[in-house]
Amino acid sequence: EVQLVESGGDLVKPGTSLRLSCAASGFTFSSAWMSWVRQAPGRGLEWVGRIKRKTDGGTADYATPVKGRFTISRDDSQNTLFLQLNSLKTEDTAVYYCTTYSNTWYMSDYWGQGTLVTVSS
Amino acid sequence: DIQMTQSPSSLSASIGDKVTITCRASQGISSFLNWYQHKPGKAPKLLIYAASSLQSGVPSRFTGSASGTDFTLTISSLQPEDFATYYCQQSFSTPLTFGGGTQVEIK
Repeated sequence: EVQLVESGGDLVKPGTSLRLSCAASGFTFSSAWMSWVRQAPGRGLEWVGRIKRKTDGGTADYATPVKGRFTISRDDSQNTLFLQLNSLKTEDTAVYYCTTYSNTWYMSDYWGQGTLVTVSS
Repeated sequence: DIQMTQSPSSLSASIGDKVTITCRASQGISSFLNWYQHKPGKAPKLLIYAASSLQSGVPSRFTGSASGTDFTLTISSLQPEDFATYYCQQSFSTPLTFGGGTQVEIK
C-alpha cells in the first residue's frame, strides 16, 4: 500500500525558513516522480512543484509564486521527499500535500494527508 | 501559465441526480486534463486522468470527456459520498494549474 506521510509544518514568522518532509513507503521511491501541492485556508488547490527521478535528470520545476524561494529535493536512500521553504510570506500559509506524480500523464495519483504551515507575525 | 476556468463554482443537487462540471483551458492542452475530488480534512483523490480515463478503484458513475479546450466531469447518479469539492487540473505544461473548484452540496 502506498503511504505518504508529511511532517515539519509549523507556525513561523514572515521571512523565515522551514523544511517539510514526506516519508514514502509501499512503492519504489527512487523510480517515482514526486510533487507538492498546497491549499491555503478557504482557497483551492495549488500546484507547488515537482521533481523527476534521478534517472530522468532529477530536476525540479516550480509554480511561479514560489520559484526562487522554494526548493524540492529527495533522498532516495531514505525514501524521503523534501520541500525547503525560504523567505516565507503570509500567503504561503497552507496545508502542503506530498504526492506521487505519474511521468506519463503527469497526474498526482497518491496523496499524503498534508502538513499545515502557518506564516504569521 | 495556462488558465483553467471551472464552472460552476458551486451547485446543489439531490441524491440520484446527474451532475456536470465543466473546465475550459486557456489554450490547447491535448488530453492532459485530470479531475480530483477533495473532502474537508482528507487527502484529495484522483478520479479521472487523461481527460477520460477512470483511475483504478473509482466508481463508474464518474466519467470524463473532452471537446477541444472544454472538459467535462459527469457524475451519472449522485451518491451521498460524492458531496465534496471537485477540481480540474491541466498537466500539459508546467507550471501545472488547477481550476478554481466546484463545491457539490446537498439540496
